[in-house]
Amino acid sequence: NAGVTQTPKFQVLKTGQSMTLQCAQDMNHNSMYWYRQDPGMGLRLIYYSASEGTTDKGEVPNGYNVSRLNKREFSLRLESAAPSQTSVYFCASSEAGRALYSNQPQHFGDGTRLSIL
Amino acid sequence: AQSVTQLGSHVSVSEGALVLLRCNYSSSVPPYLFWYVQYPNQGLQLLLKYTTGATLVKGINGFEAEFKKSETSFHLTKPSAHMSDAAEYFCAVSGYSTLTFGKGTMLLVSP
Repeated sequence: NAGVTQTPKFQVLKTGQSMTLQCAQDMNHNSMYWYRQDPGMGLRLIYYSASEGTTDKGEVPNGYNVSRLNKREFSLRLESAAPSQTSVYFCASSEAGRALYSNQPQHFGDGTRLSIL
Repeated sequence: AQSVTQLGSHVSVSEGALVLLRCNYSSSVPPYLFWYVQYPNQGLQLLLKYTTGATLVKGINGFEAEFKKSETSFHLTKPSAHMSDAAEYFCAVSGYSTLTFGKGTMLLVSP
């Protein structure tokens, strides 16, 4: 039962470098999400994909791009990393789909800890 | 728009004492509500959820939460804290294709 798998688990970048965070789920879920977690800020939604072929901005999308490669995989790209993007990044998936106020929970990966110097 | 307020960024209890973590929500429609737990260096795990029906919801590890519409609350309780309950807890409310999370409450358990 892998659930949601994120790679890498840790990464250190220099300012201006680019990087792609990978996420895959094996639960046949429709929706996938990227969050960042910073101390005292809770989880903030960066982008989500309610269904295969669609992506939408969340609360804090600036500086990020996403790709829903197929139903299983959803990647997050930092084109030019900045120190403000130092954070822990979580990917999640859900059966929800494009549903108004779904009762489906989200399932989380273990996170990618990213430091940008 | 939906929002969640968790009262208290840190809550300290003694082992064996009652745990009460507070969550108030705002929602323009009947809400679906969730509690998640996060242990150090791990992702979030679902503790319990309220959808419809019974307002007292039981979850894993002896936790339960009560949905009170009149108070727009969904507080999390456990009768007797254990050292292993030390973690961060997040309340969330459903939105359009997403969840809105509170800022979290860190539960500290002392011997």
